[in-house]
Amino acid sequence: AQTVTQSQPEMSVQEAETVTLSCTYDTSESDYYLFWYKQPPSRQMILVIRQEAYKQQNATENRFSVNFQKAAKSFSLKISDSQLGDAAMYFCAGAGSYQLTFGKGTKLSVIP
Amino acid sequence: NAGVTQTPKFQVLKTGQSMTLQCAQDMNHEYMSWYRQDPGMGLRLIHYSVGAGITDQGEVPNGYNVSRSTTEDFPLRLLSAAPSQTSVYFCASSTRREFNYGYTFGSGTRLTVV
Repeated sequence: AQTVTQSQPEMSVQEAETVTLSCTYDTSESDYYLFWYKQPPSRQMILVIRQEAYKQQNATENRFSVNFQKAAKSFSLKISDSQLGDAAMYFCAGAGSYQLTFGKGTKLSVIP
Repeated sequence: NAGVTQTPKFQVLKTGQSMTLQCAQDMNHEYMSWYRQDPGMGLRLIHYSVGAGITDQGEVPNGYNVSRSTTEDFPLRLLSAAPSQTSVYFCASSTRREFNYGYTFGSGTRLTVV
């Protein structure tokens, strides 16, 4: 069984500041992948960043980066230089054996 | 390249009615899944398929049927709609060749059962 936990239902950040969204996971799969998805009001699911759980190096995509702590099974998303367009629901997800398991999401608000 | 196409985008059903949500992908992906999204619950897996002719249940399968006769199509059938099935439904696909790139999602169907 796989579980993904997001403990922050809502977060807010000032424009241009940095915010970190938390996520922990648990799995017995050895071949496991971790993702952050963004869902704006349009409800489209947009892949933000991905991490292969057997690699220690943290993934980075422009202003988005992860803090991956393998021993703690933690997969946090850091958004730098926050922009108004970053306001959305953010879902952490883990995938093993073709099944994608989601956390309950964090609603991020960006304050101008 | 259309990706994952879901139809319809919105639907209102009366309790007891049946309907089929359509999902098609043109990326030759072997994995396809259906999720439902409810407020505060994230996305929960309903049914999934690892290839044509192969389907299995996810976390919340009751009240839904699926079949996979072709690689491209994975329809979701509601047999007798209930108000508890009011939700947003997403279809998604992926491939073992690029599984580390995650799933590609359709744009969703908002279903209301009255």
